[in-house]
Amino acid sequence: AQTVTQSQPEMSVQEAETVTLSCTYDTSESDYYLFWYKQPPSRQMILVIRQEAYKQQNATENRFSVNFQKAAKSFSLKISDSQLGDAAMYFCAYRSFRDDKIIFGKGTRLHILP
Amino acid sequence: NAGVTQTPKFQVLKTGQSMTLQCAQDMNHNSMYWYRQDPGMGLRLIYYSASEGTTDKGEVPNGYNVSRLNKREFSLRLESAAPSQTSVYFCASSDRGVRPQHFGDGTRLSIL
Repeated sequence: AQTVTQSQPEMSVQEAETVTLSCTYDTSESDYYLFWYKQPPSRQMILVIRQEAYKQQNATENRFSVNFQKAAKSFSLKISDSQLGDAAMYFCAYRSFRDDKIIFGKGTRLHILP
Repeated sequence: NAGVTQTPKFQVLKTGQSMTLQCAQDMNHNSMYWYRQDPGMGLRLIYYSASEGTTDKGEVPNGYNVSRLNKREFSLRLESAAPSQTSVYFCASSDRGVRPQHFGDGTRLSIL
């Protein structure tokens, strides 16, 4: 069975600085998809960034980028120029290509210090 | 655009009571999911349905049943509620592949 591990329950970063959130996963599949979602206090789930496992190039969305290391089964999220609005819970998610199962890590709560 | 609609938004039950959480999506998605969210535990997958007529167990299926009534609707039933099922429940839907999930607003369920 697949698993997703986020080893940092909480992190803090100074406004305008860069922070990296860690995510590792375990799977025997070769094709899959990875996601980062943001959950602010409103409980709404917001897609931050996504990556197809077959693509070697790391995904980038404005200030958000990932470091995808397929062999190491690692999918970290880098947030550049952190803003107060980035404060939220961040969840890493794995999606199976084979059966469309989607599982999440336990999340990392990110605090932005003004 | 309604997206994913969950009902009810809040519910209080007594131990042993049963209830059904309803979920409907209007985006013609094939896949639908039920998660529970507890502090420090993230979102845990209860059941999912990759297509109309199919359902599969997720990480924490015990104590729950689901029905994929049609392509739009995916309900979650608690047959005999227990205090350990107190949680926030999210329904989500998605097309396959790298397309994102769309989530409902959640149902806060308390079992006394």
